[in-house]
Amino acid sequence: DTGVSQDPRHKITKRGQNVTFRCDPISEHNRLYWYRQTLGQGPEFLTYFQNEAQLEKSRLLSDRFSAERPKGSFSTLEIQRTEQGDSAMYLCASSVSPGTPSGGALYEQYFGPGTRLTVT
Amino acid sequence: GEDVEQSLFLSVREGDSSVINCTYTDSSSTYLYWYKQEPGAGLQLLTYIFSNMDMKQDQRLTVLLNKKDKHLSLRIADTQTGDSAIYFCAEKALERSQGNLIFGKGTKLSVKP
Repeated sequence: DTGVSQDPRHKITKRGQNVTFRCDPISEHNRLYWYRQTLGQGPEFLTYFQNEAQLEKSRLLSDRFSAERPKGSFSTLEIQRTEQGDSAMYLCASSVSPGTPSGGALYEQYFGPGTRLTVT
Repeated sequence: GEDVEQSLFLSVREGDSSVINCTYTDSSSTYLYWYKQEPGAGLQLLTYIFSNMDMKQDQRLTVLLNKKDKHLSLRIADTQTGDSAIYFCAEKALERSQGNLIFGKGTKLSVKP
């Protein structure tokens, strides 16, 4: 089990550029979550998928943000026209959904190492 | 409203016990989690408790829950320098959306040799 992986680990971009991050969840996990964490804060929920369906988006997810999980495995998070306020750590997590044969009644989410975005 | 609060800093000596506290506001049945984050890393799930439990012990970790006061604590016995990290309390209310955990701001634990 390789855990949740994210790529890249660090990204520096200029204001106005587009960036895309990738997350590969734990292989048997059908739920995938994106969070944002700024300095001195806990993670804040952005969106989550069950298989390929995006089931929820928070109000933090502005129109410049889009997430996809086309085949129900890896996911991408794209930020268009980046702003300095987008600088943060972007965390991905995965879990099984409740009631699946492998368990998962506890909503346990396992996090990746994060992608640190710096917008200059 | 939904809120999870933690004290921001805790300093202990190696070998002592550490107690990290958390309060939450959601009164619906909930799962409560403790995560550990080391510098530059993601979050590591340490332990969890369901709101119908009072206590859970897992090796050096003991979680205590006072449901009446909506107060959660994490006790680390025999604290080691490797325990230095930020500890996040998070809650998941079953009546709320399926997706998100609500996190506190984290408690930075410093362990002095």
